[in-house]
Amino acid sequence: DVKVTQSSRYLVKRTGEKVFLECVQDMDHENMFWYRQDPGLGLRLIYFSYDVKMKEKGDIPEGYSVSREKKERFSLILESASTNQTSMYLCASSLGGYSSYNEQFFGPGTRLTVL
Amino acid sequence: AQKVTQAQTEISVVEKEDVTLDCVYETRDTTYYLFWYKQPPSGELVFLIRRNSFDEQNEISGRYSWNFQKSTSSFNFTITASQVVDSAVYFCALSEYDGANNLFFGTGTRLTVIP
Repeated sequence: DVKVTQSSRYLVKRTGEKVFLECVQDMDHENMFWYRQDPGLGLRLIYFSYDVKMKEKGDIPEGYSVSREKKERFSLILESASTNQTSMYLCASSLGGYSSYNEQFFGPGTRLTVL
Repeated sequence: AQKVTQAQTEISVVEKEDVTLDCVYETRDTTYYLFWYKQPPSGELVFLIRRNSFDEQNEISGRYSWNFQKSTSSFNFTITASQVVDSAVYFCALSEYDGANNLFFGTGTRLTVIP
């Protein structure tokens, strides 16, 4: 079974702090994704990556950056956390190749609160 | 532009009732994929089904069934004889045939099954 793990289930940070959210998958997937989930808005894509050291902006990249130094790990970085970044953050991975067919496998999520 | 609409924000049913979750999508592509995911209280999205735009056959898997109608751009999900374990948030998602494997999610429907 594919397993996607996220470093924390719950995280509380202060405004202005630098925040790292880590995601690791164990199935050698090429694609990895970061979403945020907010009530009434569903899941919105922040960034995604097709390969090591590659990244692409999603729909709401402002205020975020990402890092993918190893295939299995995809990090989301909040350079200076703000209260409007309080949300649930979900990481996902999928098989690579040029295909829109593949389902994504999700981690359990990190609920981040910025005070 | 792509869009997925789940007009039902919350639904409550009594156990053993049947329930249908609606999903309407918009896309300009002729080739695309539709997905349903389940998000139980634990938070991790679980893949339920994928359907490509050329396959309009309905699908049944146990108590779950899906009705895909291109004429109305709908991909509805029915749970027969609902159970308490079906309580979750259900998301419909669209992936267009651009190889990017990006999913566009609806806002989700929260289903509560009352014992």
